[in-house]
Amino acid sequence: QKEVEQNSGPLSVPEGAIASLNCTYSDRGSQSFFWYRQYSGKSPELIMFIYSNGDKEDGRFTAQLNKASQYVSLLIRDSQPSDSATYLCAVNSSGGGADGLTFGKGTHLIIQP
Amino acid sequence: DAGITQSPRYKITETGRQVTLMCHQTWSHSYMFWYRQDLGHGLRLIYYSAAADITDKGEVPDGYVVSRSKTENFPLTLESATRSQTSVYFCASSNLLADEQYFGPGTRLTVT
Repeated sequence: QKEVEQNSGPLSVPEGAIASLNCTYSDRGSQSFFWYRQYSGKSPELIMFIYSNGDKEDGRFTAQLNKASQYVSLLIRDSQPSDSATYLCAVNSSGGGADGLTFGKGTHLIIQP
Repeated sequence: DAGITQSPRYKITETGRQVTLMCHQTWSHSYMFWYRQDLGHGLRLIYYSAAADITDKGEVPDGYVVSRSKTENFPLTLESATRSQTSVYFCASSNLLADEQYFGPGTRLTVT
């Protein structure tokens, strides 16, 4: 059973600070990693993807991947109240099959003004 | 506009009735997916399709039927709705099975 684990939160961060969201996965052969943002009552929206070990930056967002530790994280710099949402980590399943992407249950992030 | 749409956005139906949720995408993506999202369970894959006339079961397929006669459409049918199927249903599409997926706006279904 392939698993993607996230702390459900809520994670409360003051405005302007760095929010750090973490995700671990069980399938050592996974190769693609995605972060989705989901506002309450809305659909998941892709915000970052990363394929290689290390950091990938896009604006205020940085994705970090450590395949040896089976760990992926998302950093949000200069957090804004509009970043308050649930963040879903998704991981591909190695070798294809019916799973496609496996999603974590998400971390609820609250940015306090 | 290009994208992925779902209809209806909200639906209330009674136990035992048949209901079909529609999904349409304009990206010509090969893969399409149906998920349900419930509190405490996250996103769970119901069915997916690799191309027209090719479908396969996901994690929770019981009670659901899908078809894909055209690449752009992927309807999901609940043949005899049950209260346990009350949920938010998302359709998604991607170019590859394990590639980034793009989600439709969702359908909130209530079975009474």
